[in-house]
Amino acid sequence: DAKTTQPNSMESNEEEPVHLPCNHSTISGTDYIHWYRQLPSQGPEYVIHGLTSNVNNRMASLAIAEDRKSSTLILHRATLRDAAVYYCIPIITQGGSEKLVFGKGTKLTVNP
Amino acid sequence: SQTIHQWPATLVQPVGSPLSLECTVEGTSNPNLYWYRQAAGRGLQLLFYSVGIGQISSEVPQNLSASRPQDRQFILSSKKLLLSDSGFYLCAWSEVYGNQPQHFGDGTRLSIL
Repeated sequence: DAKTTQPNSMESNEEEPVHLPCNHSTISGTDYIHWYRQLPSQGPEYVIHGLTSNVNNRMASLAIAEDRKSSTLILHRATLRDAAVYYCIPIITQGGSEKLVFGKGTKLTVNP
Repeated sequence: SQTIHQWPATLVQPVGSPLSLECTVEGTSNPNLYWYRQAAGRGLQLLFYSVGIGQISSEVPQNLSASRPQDRQFILSSKKLLLSDSGFYLCAWSEVYGNQPQHFGDGTRLSIL
């Protein structure tokens, strides 16, 4: 299974951009990178995913390194509601289903 | 649009009692279904997943079992709960096609006394 490394915690100010890094140096060539976030006492929420190209959606942008050994989740303007634990997860396809293996993630604190 | 329902939201059970947690999905057909557990202060752990009715894959040996009696219904059960079964239980679904996001329910917080 591909291993990921994320900072334990990061801090940002409201209205500023946030770059959340993730190293996944053992990822295979066909593993997608998914990002989820989890607010306190809630289930995880899907944020974004990608394979090789940079991806954008209404929540965030995902920048994937050319060698695919790392990626960065970008929140363009952090809000207080973005305070959560962010998980970077290489998808493992097994038995016709994708398995999410959650690590410890990065706890993002957003200061007003 | 698709929705996922999980109940109850909280549950307090004595050691040795049975357990049944139910999860249903609406607005989609033949979804992949998942049960996760998050122990206090720890990450989420995949317990079971299902790609179809009656098809259950277990990820870790434990005191729990899962069943999928209908296409959009996923049940987590135990015959006799242990203290170590305490935690936050989450159900999730995804489309059957590859690399689709998983969508989580609001979870059940289970406390064993």
